[in-house]
Amino acid sequence: DVKVTQSSRYLVKRTGEKVFLECVQDMDHENMFWYRQDPGLGLRLIYFSYDVKMKEKGDIPEGYSVSREKKERFSLILESASTNQTSMYLCASSQQAYNSPLHFGNGTRLTVT
Amino acid sequence: DQQVKQNSPSLSVQEGRISILNCDYTNSMFDYFLWYKKYPAEGPTFLISISSIKDKNEDGRFTVFLNKSAKHLSLHIVPSQPGDSAVYFCAASGNNRLAFGKGNQVVVIP
Repeated sequence: DVKVTQSSRYLVKRTGEKVFLECVQDMDHENMFWYRQDPGLGLRLIYFSYDVKMKEKGDIPEGYSVSREKKERFSLILESASTNQTSMYLCASSQQAYNSPLHFGNGTRLTVT
Repeated sequence: DQQVKQNSPSLSVQEGRISILNCDYTNSMFDYFLWYKKYPAEGPTFLISISSIKDKNEDGRFTVFLNKSAKHLSLHIVPSQPGDSAVYFCAASGNNRLAFGKGNQVVVIP
């Protein structure tokens, strides 16, 4: 089974802090994704990566950046956390970018105070 | 614009009965459709998918139906079980794009 592991289940950060969310997958997938889930808004794509050091903006990239230095690891960075970034963050990986299922981690619940 | 729509945000059904979840999409370039299930405090898990070359795909208690002309798909769960209580997301992909619906909460009453 594919395992996608997010380093933290819960995080509490202060406004203005730089925040790192880490994600590791063990299935040698080329594609990795960061989503956020908010009530009433569903899953929204922040960034995705289709190869090491490659990245593409998703639907809501503002205020975020990403890093993919190794195939198995995809990091989401909040440059200066704000309260409107309080959310559930979900990392996923997949074999193909679009026509195969995503395998999600268990999520990181981030609260920015 | 919302390319994948799930109306009726919540559904309650008696154990043993059928649960039907609906999903509409607007982009005619979508050609692969998926359903995910999500429990609280967990990530979504893949449930079932269907390619646009088919109109039905079945996996155990779960069946997905696709009506391309109506740009509509549905998920049938028969019989519903208490463990099916979760949020269900519809997703559609194609033309280098993947879009999710906002989700449906299903509650199965024992």
